[in-house]
Amino acid sequence: QKEVEQDPGPLSVPEGAIVSLNCTYSNSAFQYFMWYRQYSRKGPELLMYTYSSGNKEDGRFTAQVDKSSKYISLFIRDSQPSDSATYLCAMSRISGSRLTFGEGTQLTVNP
Amino acid sequence: GAVVSQHPSRVICKSGTSVKIECRSLDFQATTMFWYRQFPKQSLMLMATSNEGSKATYEQGVEKDKFLINHASLTLSTLTVTSAHPEDSSFYICSAPPEGSEQYFGPGTRLTVT
Repeated sequence: QKEVEQDPGPLSVPEGAIVSLNCTYSNSAFQYFMWYRQYSRKGPELLMYTYSSGNKEDGRFTAQVDKSSKYISLFIRDSQPSDSATYLCAMSRISGSRLTFGEGTQLTVNP
Repeated sequence: GAVVSQHPSRVICKSGTSVKIECRSLDFQATTMFWYRQFPKQSLMLMATSNEGSKATYEQGVEKDKFLINHASLTLSTLTVTSAHPEDSSFYICSAPPEGSEQYFGPGTRLTVT
């Protein structure tokens, strides 16, 4: 069983839709949770960074962490075609230490 | 956010030759950097952890004599792929965390071995 599970998709939504991306994990030692966006042939770009359980909002993006369920989510409101990319969840035990990634979800937002 | 650069962005080399990839933290110092490789439509696979002033820590199954890592300073780590073969063709990405913070990734280096 993988430490981090993420549905690879692909996920296709119309412009303006609310997108929900999710990851589950098995290692209860994970404390730091991140979401990255990766465009084709580019390095991952950090979108959200949260510590422990709770919600964090940044513009159209909201990250949620539920440590009791070992479940994290990323919501994208008013999705745009420019949001079309692969979204990777990642987590670590210690801040700044090695990351464990999900498989990535490929998202397409259709105009 | 913090900025991490990589050079070159793309390299093509012949089988049997060696290739060096640089990873630099531009606006912060990094005692630790991480090297990943990524195959098409797959997630990132951690290859090794680069530690300034000491030996790198390699993940299981990664040949340390083939993928040489040198963390020469607090802003520079290099990955040298020695005696490259076509199966080494991949996208190599580095990351670095500012002290006690989240990780930032470089733009990646696409290696093609012919």
